Amino acid sequence: GQNIDQPTEMTATEGAIVQINCTYQTSGFNGLFWYQQHAGEAPTFLSYNVLDGLEEKGRFSSFLSRSKGYSYLLLKELQMKDSASYLCAVRDQGGANNLFFGTGTRLTVIP
Amino acid sequence: GAVVSQHPSRVICKSGTSVKIECRSLDFQATTMFWYRQFPKKSLMLMATSNEGSKATYEQGVEKDKFLINHASLTLSTLTVTSAHPEDSSFYICSASKRTASYEQYFGPGTRLTVT
Repeated sequence: GQNIDQPTEMTATEGAIVQINCTYQTSGFNGLFWYQQHAGEAPTFLSYNVLDGLEEKGRFSSFLSRSKGYSYLLLKELQMKDSASYLCAVRDQGGANNLFFGTGTRLTVIP
Repeated sequence: GAVVSQHPSRVICKSGTSVKIECRSLDFQATTMFWYRQFPKKSLMLMATSNEGSKATYEQGVEKDKFLINHASLTLSTLTVTSAHPEDSSFYICSASKRTASYEQYFGPGTRLTVT
């Protein structure tokens, strides 16, 4: 089975830094994704980690520890437009390329 | 680019009728297409995976006779919700992965289905 956990909601202040955690227990592992989703829209790709460590991309960074089944998404210099849901997804092993999503974290950025 | 479209974006239908949702990869060939369902304020739930020309693989608990998936070409997959009921009302999202860089899925804009 697949079990992927994230906090349900978070609030942070404009200009600040926020870290969204994701823990997973899956039958197989072939990479972890973070997506951003605004209400009523499709998810958009943010980052992909398959090896341990930190991947940085502008204001967004993502970290992975496979031994701990843990990842986090770090958002710096928060902007109001960053208010959205952030979805952690684990890719299954094998050729299916299936993604299993966590519950999503709804981030609200306040002035 | 990697653009995926869905049609319709929004549909309202009556109980007992069937609804077809199309998912197209506009500028690439999709080896695999995925169908997800999303309830309000919930995350995406994978319903099924389909490869062109072969039968879809459904996730546990998803009724394959109710949610018919056809993947007729490398750029088109369809999801038909048969004999729809109000509990089928949901946001349905498709995604597609390329032949190359197959680790990434590109999502369509979603279809909001309301069954009255």
